[in-house]
Amino acid sequence: QVQLQESGPGLVKPSETLSLTCTVSGGSISNYYWNWIRQPPGKGLEWVGYIYYSGSTNYNPSLKSRLSISVDTSKNQFSLKLSSVTAADTAVYYCARAETVTTYVRNYYYMDVWGKGTTVTVSS
Amino acid sequence: EIVMTQSPATLSVSPGERATLSCRASQSVSSNLAWYQQKPGQAPRLLIYGASTRATGIPARFSGSGSGTEFTLTISSLQSGDFAIYYCQQYNNWPPYTFGQGTKLEIK
Repeated sequence: QVQLQESGPGLVKPSETLSLTCTVSGGSISNYYWNWIRQPPGKGLEWVGYIYYSGSTNYNPSLKSRLSISVDTSKNQFSLKLSSVTAADTAVYYCARAETVTTYVRNYYYMDVWGKGTTVTVSS
Repeated sequence: EIVMTQSPATLSVSPGERATLSCRASQSVSSNLAWYQQKPGQAPRLLIYGASTRATGIPARFSGSGSGTEFTLTISSLQSGDFAIYYCQQYNNWPPYTFGQGTKLEIK
């Protein structure tokens, strides 16, 4: 079965760029949408953005100006870069696969497999 | 942006009893709604998608209902492992996908 594993620095300084990678194992990265979700300490879940294996992306408007998500199909990985971070970006960051629901109108995508998450703290 | 509102914030129920959790959307999301369970220190786990379809491996005591703007997650005969935080999430309109603030299900 497919498994996801987040990796990256646990500590980032304010104003710098947060970089994380999600490695997909037990299955191919092809034909799926791949998401990033974050959860500040003691708070709820916030969708960050997604990338299709072909490279098309969609971002949360609240983060769009600072966010970049990329994919490397040869490594079965996708990555997140969030620039100009502040303490408000401190969170557990999860990666997740989105499964597709096909209807005659359009497709819909729900997140069915999640990584265990990685904690990122923004502090000097 | 669609706002998801869950109620109650905390629900106290005894083991063996039934729990009913609610989720309301600020506009219709059709049946494009998922429920997740999150235990302390763990990632969310998908329970329900399409408002009422159980994900693979989810016990039958978990059931979802509703469409449009009103949704319910029912857990019949609560077991010790069911006490956790539950989130609803709409995937009908994006960006962004949006989650409710969560309902903490605690032991009474």
